Amino acid sequence: GQNIDQPTEMTATEGAIVQINCTYQTSGFNGLFWYQQHAGEAPTFLSYNVLDGLEEKGRFSSFLSRSKGYSYLLLKELQMKDSASYLCATMDSNYQLIWGAGTKLIIKP
Amino acid sequence: ETGVTQTPRHLVMGMTNKKSLKCEQHLGHNAMYWYKQSAKKPLELMFVYNFKEQTENNSVPSRFSPECPNSSHLFLHLHTLQPEDSALYLCASSQGGEGGSGANVLTFGAGSRLTVL
Repeated sequence: GQNIDQPTEMTATEGAIVQINCTYQTSGFNGLFWYQQHAGEAPTFLSYNVLDGLEEKGRFSSFLSRSKGYSYLLLKELQMKDSASYLCATMDSNYQLIWGAGTKLIIKP
Repeated sequence: ETGVTQTPRHLVMGMTNKKSLKCEQHLGHNAMYWYKQSAKKPLELMFVYNFKEQTENNSVPSRFSPECPNSSHLFLHLHTLQPEDSALYLCASSQGGEGGSGANVLTFGAGSRLTVL
């Protein structure tokens, strides 16, 4: 079957670094997405990885290892506004998105 | 504004009511989607329209009825819902078609929070 696993909740401190992991098992693979969703708001696109390695976008980086079925989202210099849910999703061989349940990130001062 | 607008933002209805959710996108996208989001669960894809043609219906109960009159507007008609249908209903759009990341990046609306009594 197809499955995405990510931690339900994480807590980190303002100014620190946090890594949110995502493991997946899907029928075929056409890339992995990360979205950010603040409470009561729309999910917004953060990153897309289809090749192995690290993609950096400012304070946010996303890593992919296709052989391990593993990705992580790395957030540096955490700010209070980074408190949100982070959704991992993979695209299978039919270009269908398979979603994880999301990781709620709580930032403390 | 994200470019995808959903109304109403909140809706409370009884099990015998009929209501509709509306979604509008101003991005020139050709694909539109309805998702159901329940607490601590993955997003559930309900319906997909590509170039106004319905291409996905993920075994959604008939009490949910989508309508896509043009590539900018999407409706979800609701009737005789059950309390377990209470959730956040998200509309999204994308460029459409198969292929690389650009065609598949979704732009979401803020959702319609539905409560069924």
